Amino acid sequence: AQSVSQHNHHVILSEAASLELGCNYSYGGTVNLFWYVQYPGQHLQLLLKYFSGDPLVKGIKGFEAEFIKSKFSFNLRKPSVQWSDTAEYFCAVNADNYGQNFVFGPGTRLSVLP
Amino acid sequence: KAGVTQTPRYLIKTRGQQVTLSCSPISGHRSVSWYQQTPGQGLQFLFEYFSETQRNKGNFPGRFSGRQFSNSRSEMNVSTLELGDSALYLCASSLLASGSSYEQYFGPGTRLTVT
Repeated sequence: AQSVSQHNHHVILSEAASLELGCNYSYGGTVNLFWYVQYPGQHLQLLLKYFSGDPLVKGIKGFEAEFIKSKFSFNLRKPSVQWSDTAEYFCAVNADNYGQNFVFGPGTRLSVLP
Repeated sequence: KAGVTQTPRYLIKTRGQQVTLSCSPISGHRSVSWYQQTPGQGLQFLFEYFSETQRNKGNFPGRFSGRQFSNSRSEMNVSTLELGDSALYLCASSLLASGSSYEQYFGPGTRLTVT
């Protein structure tokens, strides 16, 4: 069965610090990868996605992620975080191109201090 | 374009009762998936419907069921509610052709509390 792990449960950073959130998945076949964000009181929103092609993908709000197939990883990065980035971040994997069974990681809570 | 809508937003039920939650996908989206989100288990996939057919099912008991209508709107039903069913139930839709995968767009969820 597929599974997704996220390295950190809670990350605390100061504004302007750089961010890297780890995500690893277990599945040997072709995968589609996603990062979603859930701001306080809001619903899940897509940050970025990887289906194929360039393994470095750029998303909204200055976020980017790199797919490293050999490491089964899809880490999320941002060079300089803002207070408004405070949210919970979820990595998700879809390893079944026929359906929409997304497997989500447990989430990483990011707190950015002003 | 309107987003995914879910009704009701909040619901309180008693153990043993049943509940029906509704989801209207983004116009044109034909795939609707349901997830349960809890602090302990995170986001867990319940099932997916495409063209009124259940295509995928997660590891939940048969008390959890769903259906999709011809206009792609979907409902999920939970019978004989248990305290552990208290959760945020999320619906997600995607623009999906057979054999393809697209990102999912999530609704705000229905917060179900079972007492």
